[in-house]
Amino acid sequence: SQQGEEDPQALSIQEGENATMNCSYKTSINNLQWYRQNSGRGLVHLILIRSNEREKHSGRLRVTLDTSKKSSSLLITASRAADTASYFCATNDMRFGAGTRLTVKP
Amino acid sequence: NAGVTQTPKFRVLKTGQSMTLLCAQDMNHEYMYWYRQDPGMGLRLIHYSVGEGTTAKGEVPDGYNVSRLKKQNFLLGLESAAPSQTSVYFCASSYKGLNTEAFFGQGTRLTVV
Repeated sequence: SQQGEEDPQALSIQEGENATMNCSYKTSINNLQWYRQNSGRGLVHLILIRSNEREKHSGRLRVTLDTSKKSSSLLITASRAADTASYFCATNDMRFGAGTRLTVKP
Repeated sequence: NAGVTQTPKFRVLKTGQSMTLLCAQDMNHEYMYWYRQDPGMGLRLIHYSVGEGTTAKGEVPDGYNVSRLKKQNFLLGLESAAPSQTSVYFCASSYKGLNTEAFFGQGTRLTVV
């Protein structure tokens, strides 16, 4: 079974707004990773957060991790049309959820 | 650097035919993975390898076989293709499984008719 489960399945926002997507997982982890997939292409790594970290930033990305709730969130601030993509979380055993499809309208 | 290269990019098979998908990485990565992605779904792990000469089953291994004879190559075989194996297949590699990012190929779109 898939380890990570993203929520919501789809998200549509206006350019400039923030986008938040969540990931829940089932078992203990060493790290959690977020990836982005543009339509029809391979996944690209965005950020990795270790189990002893609570928050991590990379540019306009902010990731949080709550190991007590077995959940993580990815926040994209000041979204752009180019952020339109699917976003996936993966646990350290490299199993992915179904993803969140983000659409940013110009 | 080419990164992770998948061959072929597209293929149409008839039911019952066999084929091999090739994944090659030039980053000296230990770990390699094969996934399938179906419409509206995430990636499901088929098989993976933690080093040359090793392979292990993932979430959906049935109907597929793999081999890792050389560190840089990970082959995915379909012995007798079925329409249910119509999918986009992605290969990925990482230095080691823990705490390292994975690099993905651009995918192979396989249609079984």
